[in-house]
Amino acid sequence: DAGITQSPRHKVTETGTPVTLRCHQTENHRYMYWYRQDPGHGLRLIHYSYGVKDTDKGEVSDGYSVSRSKTEDFLLTLESATSSQTSVYFCAISGGTSGGVNIQYFGAGTRLSVL
Amino acid sequence: SQQGEEDPQALSIQEGENATMNCSYKTSINNLQWYRQNSGRGLVHLILIRSNEREKHSGRLRVTLDTSKKSSSLLITASRAADTASYFCATDIQGGSEKLVFGKGTKLTVNP
Repeated sequence: DAGITQSPRHKVTETGTPVTLRCHQTENHRYMYWYRQDPGHGLRLIHYSYGVKDTDKGEVSDGYSVSRSKTEDFLLTLESATSSQTSVYFCAISGGTSGGVNIQYFGAGTRLSVL
Repeated sequence: SQQGEEDPQALSIQEGENATMNCSYKTSINNLQWYRQNSGRGLVHLILIRSNEREKHSGRLRVTLDTSKKSSSLLITASRAADTASYFCATDIQGGSEKLVFGKGTKLTVNP
């Protein structure tokens, strides 16, 4: 988890409220990712960023938005949280895809419960 | 849909035994990676094998890749209780490495 900090680590919120999760890195890596992990589904990509202000959708992007105004910070926002977004959220970073190699380093995760 | 699928979903062995996990994927890849996740923690990269490699070793880990069958296996030799974790394969897509697709994982329990 070195060099990657996710905050908060745990959050309980109510349906319909906005929620923002933060990922902060000190590695100066170009790529940042948000995944969700659910039983029976493994790890699924929500959004990722390939540079400041450059983002793209992943497999399960509906209901989520992201922003990256600085290299070190990648924010994930649930505009109006739903119970189906109860999950564990992981941020990952990568130094790049040189030679087709994309090794990712993961944060410790944020456990989100939407009641 | 997910690119990689691990098999078995769960595996329980005794310390000292070998553990073998398999991964199948659907499309051509540049490389395949294996990650480990301890309970309540983030994933940790273990080993990467390129599409032009057939076998790779790292300590007690041995990975094989068969691109004709679109499958890979991870062998952990002489397992220890500390190897208890979930193991995931991850693949990119040939022609684009920005995204990885993870399988659902194999949960390994090594009993002392």
